[in-house]
Amino acid sequence: GAGVSQSPRYKVAKRGQDVALRCDPISGHVSLFWYQQALGQGPEFLTYFQNEAQLDKSGLPSDRFFAERPEGSVSTLKIQRTQQEDSAVYLCASSFWTISGANVLTFGAGSRLTVL
Amino acid sequence: ELKVEQNPLFLSMQEGKNYTIYCNYSTTSDRLYWYRQDPGKSLESLFVLLSNGAVKQEGRLMASLDTKARLSTLHITAAVHDLSATYFCAVEMDSNYQLIWGAGTKLIIKP
Repeated sequence: GAGVSQSPRYKVAKRGQDVALRCDPISGHVSLFWYQQALGQGPEFLTYFQNEAQLDKSGLPSDRFFAERPEGSVSTLKIQRTQQEDSAVYLCASSFWTISGANVLTFGAGSRLTVL
Repeated sequence: ELKVEQNPLFLSMQEGKNYTIYCNYSTTSDRLYWYRQDPGKSLESLFVLLSNGAVKQEGRLMASLDTKARLSTLHITAAVHDLSATYFCAVEMDSNYQLIWGAGTKLIIKP
């Protein structure tokens, strides 16, 4: 497809369950980002991949969060032993760098996680 | 720590009016981005501002950047209902990939 695809769009989990969120970026986009967006807030950076390499995971809130992109295309964000505070929309974005060096992100529609 | 503040956070206005959304940030940066988000939809890139004094215009929206004042503005001219959305500014850190986002301005334009 032409855009960034995320699945599932909605996920309800019981506290303590593990969840996996998938992102299919735009073909050819080397860079991939995961963001967390709480209700009424801007996105907050979680992690960044360049191809299959995870170059920055400084935004992951705890060691329950894990992300991978094994073949440099599809990425999965996994949350283990979910807690209520993990409830948020998880946004995936892929990007290209323009000749001027601008980093223009194309976002998916997000995966809304609700932890009960 | 880089902080980005938008104001107002909520704006309700009539069609045909003009208004400005402000985006202040706390440390030096030469790159600022504006995005639009409709309810339940993806964030969509609007403008990329790459240097002091940069001005970009698209239809009824115009964005500008003053890096010395650490301020960007998004000006809406003769608003129409279709512009109702939440608008975010995002400032690029020196790392050249990480963006710090404002909380967003929810804009409602009444017919």
